[in-house]
Amino acid sequence: DGGITQSPKYLFRKEGQNVTLSCEQNLNHDAMYWYRQDPGQGLRLIYYSQIVNDFQKGDIAEGYSVSREKKESFPLTVTSAQKNPTAFYLCASSIYGTGGLVRVSSGANVLTFGAGSRLTVL
Amino acid sequence: EDKVVQSPLSLVVHEGDTVTLNCSYEVTNFRSLLWYKQEKKAPTFLFMLTSSGIEKKSGRLSSILDKKELFSILNITATQTGDSAVYLCAVDNTNAGKSTFGDGTTLTVKP
Repeated sequence: DGGITQSPKYLFRKEGQNVTLSCEQNLNHDAMYWYRQDPGQGLRLIYYSQIVNDFQKGDIAEGYSVSREKKESFPLTVTSAQKNPTAFYLCASSIYGTGGLVRVSSGANVLTFGAGSRLTVL
Repeated sequence: EDKVVQSPLSLVVHEGDTVTLNCSYEVTNFRSLLWYKQEKKAPTFLFMLTSSGIEKKSGRLSSILDKKELFSILNITATQTGDSAVYLCAVDNTNAGKSTFGDGTTLTVKP
């Protein structure tokens, strides 16, 4: 079955440590995204990538880093520079991410989400 | 900066009630508005709306978009406990190639 796999599901980290969250998709989607969700809040975009070897900062990129070396993989590193990293992290993908090249009626911009990773900083 | 505001933030109803969830938005280059349902972890897609006045319907759920007034509503009729979830509204910006989400409405349906 096609989908998005995030790992680990739960992660504990001490202050000052970097951690990397994995996101793998087998949907053959071009675009991938990382969102952060805090209790009682919606999703805030951290980074996104529309094609391999290219990515853009979202609204809250400070303290995070990503790479997109393969179409299937978009790992997120939470660095020690992120002041409040405890949160629920969601990875998502869509068929296309680039506006203007998308036939909206095709649903190419609909997001498919992974099950999330919950990071707790001790 | 694109912005999405959902209301109410939370809602408690009893089974059989009808609910209306609201989503207003500001976006520089509107492409579409999407509704997602988040029960435990991963949000799942409900509707995508691109044109005003055309109702999308799936069972007891329906949604409509008003591009002039910049809002959308999600209606759920004859609610069931299984409808309890966070409902997220998002708008797509054509130029940015990304979605902006609202804070969500937490719906609790009591037996």
